[in-house]
Amino acid sequence: GDSVTQTEGLVTLTEGLPVMLNCTYQTIYSNPFLFWYVQHLNESPRLLLKSFTDNKRTEHQGFHATLHKSSSSFHLQKSSAQLSDSALYYCALSLNSGGSNAKLTFGKGTKLSVKS
Amino acid sequence: GGIITQTPKFLIGQEGQKLTLKCQQNFNHDTMYWYRQDSGKGLRLIYYSITENDLQKGDLSEGYDASREKKSSFSLTVTSAQKNEMAVFLCASSIGGLWGQYFGPGTRLTVL
Repeated sequence: GDSVTQTEGLVTLTEGLPVMLNCTYQTIYSNPFLFWYVQHLNESPRLLLKSFTDNKRTEHQGFHATLHKSSSSFHLQKSSAQLSDSALYYCALSLNSGGSNAKLTFGKGTKLSVKS
Repeated sequence: GGIITQTPKFLIGQEGQKLTLKCQQNFNHDTMYWYRQDSGKGLRLIYYSITENDLQKGDLSEGYDASREKKSSFSLTVTSAQKNEMAVFLCASSIGGLWGQYFGPGTRLTVL
């Protein structure tokens, strides 16, 4: 079946250093949609980025990611971590715009902790 | 804009009890979802519904029932609450797979 693999567990960074959270996926479909969600403590997950275009960078709120179908990857990056970036990050995969394939397959999540 | 509301915010039940969680959205989205999130862990899909009166099982449907009474509402029933399922239950909605999902604030379940 379809799956998403993320950087495991906890990533700890010092403020100002670059962020890179890995995400790779497996699917037999050639046109997947990839998403990054962010969940701050005691909040619900919120959509951060999405893409379905191969090799095109997508950006939002200082974060960026590029879908590379050749390597089945959608890594999340930011040039300089801020304390407020501390959160749980989920990578997710969708295969269709609707119907019975409207569900997302989530990775297990990566917890990012940014320290001063 | 729109909003998803979940009731109750906190639910305390006894082991073996049948418990119902409710979700309402005013986005006019077709698809709605129920997820379970255990402390510090990922999201697991319980049920989803692509339209009124439709139900699709997720990976964790055993022990749960769901009901999509109308387009704007989606209920989840824990058929027999167990102590090991203390978790936050998140409702979400979307237009479809392309646009991502909007999440509600969650219902925190405690089983005594």
